[in-house]
Amino acid sequence: DVVLTQSPLSLPVTLGQPASISCRSSQSLVHRDGNTYLNWFQQKPGQSPRRLFYKVSNRDSGVPDRFSGSGSGTDFTLKISRVEAEDVGVYYCMEVTHWPPITFGQGTRLEIK
Amino acid sequence: EVQLVESGGGLVQPGGSLRLSCVVSEFPFSSHYMTWVRRAPGKGLEWVSSLSQSGESTFYADSVKGRFTISRDNSKNTLYLQMNSLRAEDTAQYFCATGHWCDYWGQGTLVTVSS
Repeated sequence: DVVLTQSPLSLPVTLGQPASISCRSSQSLVHRDGNTYLNWFQQKPGQSPRRLFYKVSNRDSGVPDRFSGSGSGTDFTLKISRVEAEDVGVYYCMEVTHWPPITFGQGTRLEIK
Repeated sequence: EVQLVESGGGLVQPGGSLRLSCVVSEFPFSSHYMTWVRRAPGKGLEWVSSLSQSGESTFYADSVKGRFTISRDNSKNTLYLQMNSLRAEDTAQYFCATGHWCDYWGQGTLVTVSS
């Protein structure tokens, strides 16, 4: 099974500063159809998860453009250009290229310094 | 607006059973895979199970295989998770989500397994 390793696991950030979360896969996430099925999710405290990006860099409706997703193969990154207070929560990468099973990263907890 | 509403969680003793439901609205339910994901206290998201549009194809995490059964009723836009032989480690918030890409999520229902 694929293993997704996120880093860092804890991310204290000053308001207005950038933030970056890495997600590394134990094997390439390029599907035989040529697509890369790597998604990013955000779970704010007390809320259900919300998808931010699908297929690496496709932003879901309503996601602020200060968020961006990038990467290829086995290395992927979620970036926030300027962190706001509402961005506090846990961020997960998830792959469905090789499902089943569906694999999530361990999660990265973003907090404000 | 797409809505998913889970129900059926609660406190159950080890070895007991529960049946979770997820009612979906404003979404082409019968045309999509559906998925259950859980989050145990202090831990991350864990995929539990998914099933195909017709319900004929089902998929389970190794941790629940043989104990949980996923099903659906397309006439009622409802997804189910029958959970048997529950263990303490099954304690978690359980979420239903649309597709296996997990486009939309419900608010979750809490399952606590404890004596």
